[in-house]
Amino acid sequence: EPEVTQTPSHQVTQMGQEVILRCVPISNHLYFYWYRQILGQKVEFLVSFYNNEISEKSEIFDDQFSVERPDGSNFTLKIRSTKLEDSAMYFCASRAGSSAAYNEQFFGPGTRLTVL
Amino acid sequence: ILNVEQSPQSLHVQEGDSTNFTCSFPSSNFYALHWYRWETAKSPEALFVMTLNGDEKKKGRISATLNTKEGYSYLYIKGSQPEDSATYLCVNAGNNRKLIWGLGTSLAVNP
Repeated sequence: EPEVTQTPSHQVTQMGQEVILRCVPISNHLYFYWYRQILGQKVEFLVSFYNNEISEKSEIFDDQFSVERPDGSNFTLKIRSTKLEDSAMYFCASRAGSSAAYNEQFFGPGTRLTVL
Repeated sequence: ILNVEQSPQSLHVQEGDSTNFTCSFPSSNFYALHWYRWETAKSPEALFVMTLNGDEKKKGRISATLNTKEGYSYLYIKGSQPEDSATYLCVNAGNNRKLIWGLGTSLAVNP
């Protein structure tokens, strides 16, 4: 069964360093998402991506964040200069179809980012 | 704002017990409600997408109902098994591309 994959599973970095979190969505899906969950808090939407551009982003997704789909299979989230408060579990998701609300999203296993 | 509240926050039941928990959401401008199941160390897995008032959906021993007029959905598990232990997340999907998540109900089923 097709699944969303994410690498690495755990990333430890120093504050101020750049990190790139990688995701491989399900191959025929068209819409891609990043979410994060800070320990003990709700899952928070970061950004959605369709047709090679950002379609929506939250207040969290500031200039330190960027997303890219460099080669038609990978979908990456870059944090340019990490802060302590960026420590969280980051989930990538993808979905097929055009009706945003009606179609379920498929999630990857997450990358746990720890900023020291 | 599509805020979602779930209750109870956590639940412990014995194997074989049936259980249910609640998701409440703003009833105005409703579009769709998703239920996800999230086991520790795994990714969230979609259970149901519910759109119509009065919807009732079932997957094995798990079922869900939807009342969009009063803004709530119930998730039922019949004859709970240890493998049902997980966090059950309710998600409000507005008519845009992002999902608004509840905090979840954490279910532990004791054998």
